[in-house]
This record gives sequence, C-alpha cells and structure tokens, in this order.
Amino acid sequence: DTAVSQTPKYLVTQMGNDKSIKCEQNLGHDTMYWYKQDSKKFLKIMFSYNNKELIINETVPNRFSPKSPDKAHLNLHINSLELGDSAVYFCASSQAGLAGGSYNEQFFGPGTRLTVL
Amino acid sequence: AQKVTQAQTEISVVEKEDVTLDCVYETRDTTYYLFWYKQPPSGELVFLIRRNSFDEQNEISGRYSWNFQKSTSSFNFTITASQVVDSAVYFCALLPGYNTDKLIFGTGTRLQVFP
Repeated sequence: DTAVSQTPKYLVTQMGNDKSIKCEQNLGHDTMYWYKQDSKKFLKIMFSYNNKELIINETVPNRFSPKSPDKAHLNLHINSLELGDSAVYFCASSQAGLAGGSYNEQFFGPGTRLTVL
Repeated sequence: AQKVTQAQTEISVVEKEDVTLDCVYETRDTTYYLFWYKQPPSGELVFLIRRNSFDEQNEISGRYSWNFQKSTSSFNFTITASQVVDSAVYFCALLPGYNTDKLIFGTGTRLQVFP
C-alpha cells in the first residue's frame, strides 16, 4: 500500500563510488521529484520529471543523473560520490495541474540517508 | 524574490499548551499555493495542508488550525492542546504560480512537546 517508496533506506559508501537510489510511486501521478535535505534539515528541489520528461534541473552537479523509465519510477544515479553528497534524499510525486504545473500537494517517500565516508 | 521564512528555529512547550508556528512568504505571483508538512523523528515528510492564494478562509482540522493572511504574507499554523506526538520539524512551503513544479521550503521549525 506504500504510496511513494524508495530503496535503499540507508546507503553508506566510500568517496569516489557510484550509487543509485530507486523511487516508485503507485499513486498514478504524472510528476516526480528528487529533493536533498542537508544536515541542517534544509530541503531543496533537485529535479522534477513530468511523464518521463525532465522539467526542473536545479543547478545540480552533473554527477547526479535522474532517470525515469516510466512515469511511476524516477531513479537517481550519482557518480564519483563526494563527502558533501551526504544527505537525506527524498523522492516525491504529485498530480500535474491543469496548466502543466503541479500545484497539488506532493507526497514524499520515506527518504534515503546517504553517508559518504 | 520567492522565499519562505520560518523565523522560529526551535520551540519547546509542555503538553496541553497551545503553540503557533509562524510562516512568512514572499512572491510576486498573484496565484500561488502554500503548504505545511510535518517531519516527525522517524524522518518521513507528511503533508498537512494546501491553501491557494485566493482562499483566505482559516482552516481547522482537529487540534490543527491555519491562519492565512495575504495582507501580512503569512500562513501561520497553530496546534491547540499540544501532545508529545506533535514533536516534529514543521515545514512551510510555497509554490509560486500555477504552472510551476518548484516547491520552495522554509528552513523548518523544530517543535518539542514535553510531557
């Protein structure tokens, strides 16, 4: 019954490694997102996809590459991990609005805590 | 500039006290949406409320109430008769415009309710 799910919940890895986080939503939403929450709890959007198309890409290093194989999935791949990438990453989804934007509430996954050593 | 300010970093209350969490936003858009989310210690983000810029009616849901005032660009959240389970970080967020996906979060207010 989980609406937005993410795997893994915890990820501990060494600097320089490549890792992926997976996200799936079963709400039938058109739009999916990735957010980063830093150690001070500050939440910032990284990417959004609408029907598999990239809509928002917020000045994120190109080591981060989102991939949306279908509208129910949005994965995040991170190359050459750095210490500063340590954070909690949240996936979210929402239903697209009439004018293309998604003004409906976003539903969040449980988060993936990434620790880079 | 589009921005959300939650000036209260941390608030501590004793159970059964009422508490108000402040949220001030900035946007030049005439159509926008405001949200509150709760992040309990377990870490997930829980949606609480959405309000559009044309609806200034206050809303009450059980012990929770929201006061939206366009004149002061504020969307404050009050918990009446707080309980220990209300302990969490609360985020106010702004969606500026109706054709954008970019949700802008405030820095959050950590509420601790002591028994």
